[in-house]
Amino acid sequence: DQQVKQNSPSLSVQEGRISILNCDYTNSMFDYFLWYKKYPAEGPTFLISISSIKDKNEDGRFTVFLNKSAKHLSLHIVPSQPGDSAVYFCAASAHTDKLIFGTGTRLQVFP
Amino acid sequence: ETGVTQTPRHLVMGMTNKKSLKCEQHLGHNAMYWYKQSAKKPLELMFVYSLEERVENNSVPSRFSPECPNSSHLFLHLHTLQPEDSALYLCASSQDPSGSPRGDTQYFGPGTRLTVL
Repeated sequence: DQQVKQNSPSLSVQEGRISILNCDYTNSMFDYFLWYKKYPAEGPTFLISISSIKDKNEDGRFTVFLNKSAKHLSLHIVPSQPGDSAVYFCAASAHTDKLIFGTGTRLQVFP
Repeated sequence: ETGVTQTPRHLVMGMTNKKSLKCEQHLGHNAMYWYKQSAKKPLELMFVYSLEERVENNSVPSRFSPECPNSSHLFLHLHTLQPEDSALYLCASSQDPSGSPRGDTQYFGPGTRLTVL
């Protein structure tokens, strides 16, 4: 059973518009959530994280929202840029436990 | 060299071969990880080392054998692999102040693309 789900395998957004990537989880013990970005032929790179004590964390163009009651988090990128085109992985952990990753969403930002 | 490096970047091997994947981290971290990424599947954690001791083995077949000689180096020794073991193998590291690795921010290497014929 997959504890972290990214139900959209791909997303296409026009440059300058907002990209919204979604992630759902099932384990209510998860208390730390991360987003990673992966370009082809490279390893995932850490993008932004959020602790369960918060519902929003912002870093420049990237904002992560956490809705604990819905067990849902989302990553907003605004404005989207062509360089943002990559695969985005959502990950979660429960206190001292290992990271659990989603399957990823491929974002394509077109001009 | 900075960050997390992995060699080789690509590896093709037969089922009877023995090969090793190498990972080196230059971040001063105290925990290192091996992950497997297969097509259309989530990243699967294979092994975790903290302070050079293995703290997690995620039911990985014995044909994968990890080795962590020091906090900066991690190896994955491969022998008698199967074609279904073809995947991207990612190494990661993290710093945990308690010395016990947790699901904290991990920094990944570029991966080794392994093909088993």
